[in-house]
Amino acid sequence: AQSVAQPEDQVNVAEGNPLTVKCTYSVSGNPYLFWYVQYPNRGLQFLLKYITGDNLVKGSYGFEAEFNKSQTSFHLKKPSALVSDSALYFCAVRDRDNAGNMLTFGGGTRLMVKP
Amino acid sequence: KAGVTQTPRYLIKTRGQQVTLSCSPISGHRSVSWYQQTPGQGLQFLFEYFSETQRNKGNFPGRFSGRQFSNSRSEMNVSTLELGDSALYLCASSLWENTEAFFGQGTRLTVV
Repeated sequence: AQSVAQPEDQVNVAEGNPLTVKCTYSVSGNPYLFWYVQYPNRGLQFLLKYITGDNLVKGSYGFEAEFNKSQTSFHLKKPSALVSDSALYFCAVRDRDNAGNMLTFGGGTRLMVKP
Repeated sequence: KAGVTQTPRYLIKTRGQQVTLSCSPISGHRSVSWYQQTPGQGLQFLFEYFSETQRNKGNFPGRFSGRQFSNSRSEMNVSTLELGDSALYLCASSLWENTEAFFGQGTRLTVV
């Protein structure tokens, strides 16, 4: 079984400040990890992924995430938040040792960036 | 390259009816997955098709079914609709197992 926890329903940050959206996961095997963003009435938009290799991965729009195997975490970060970053963010995991592309998502974190 | 296309974008159905949703994946992508998104349950996996075969299935009743055609297009069907089936249904396509899934804009189903 696999699961994802996003402990914060909402994160508030001022524009220009760094932001962090937290994610922890559980899989029986090795993980593939993903971050997606959703704007109102839209589908999910891919931000970044961890497959293997460097623990720090960089993605779209200046976002990055750090894979921490010992803490089973994959927190999303950005050095300087923009008002346009305000959206719903989802962390997802897939068990690398299972065939297929089934993603398990966290409950989502709403990011509010205030001017 | 065109993205994942879902049709229709919006649907209103009556309890007891059935509905069919369509998804055209990105050209060359053979894996198509379906997800249900609701405010209460979040994003839940329905099923995945690869080369016309169902490869994974989520924990949904048998009223939810799907299929994939030889051109990788996929349809999902919900029979005997219930009020609780009201949701945003998202389709995603992937090239390989270790690559990201690309999502369509979804079909918003309202059951009245």
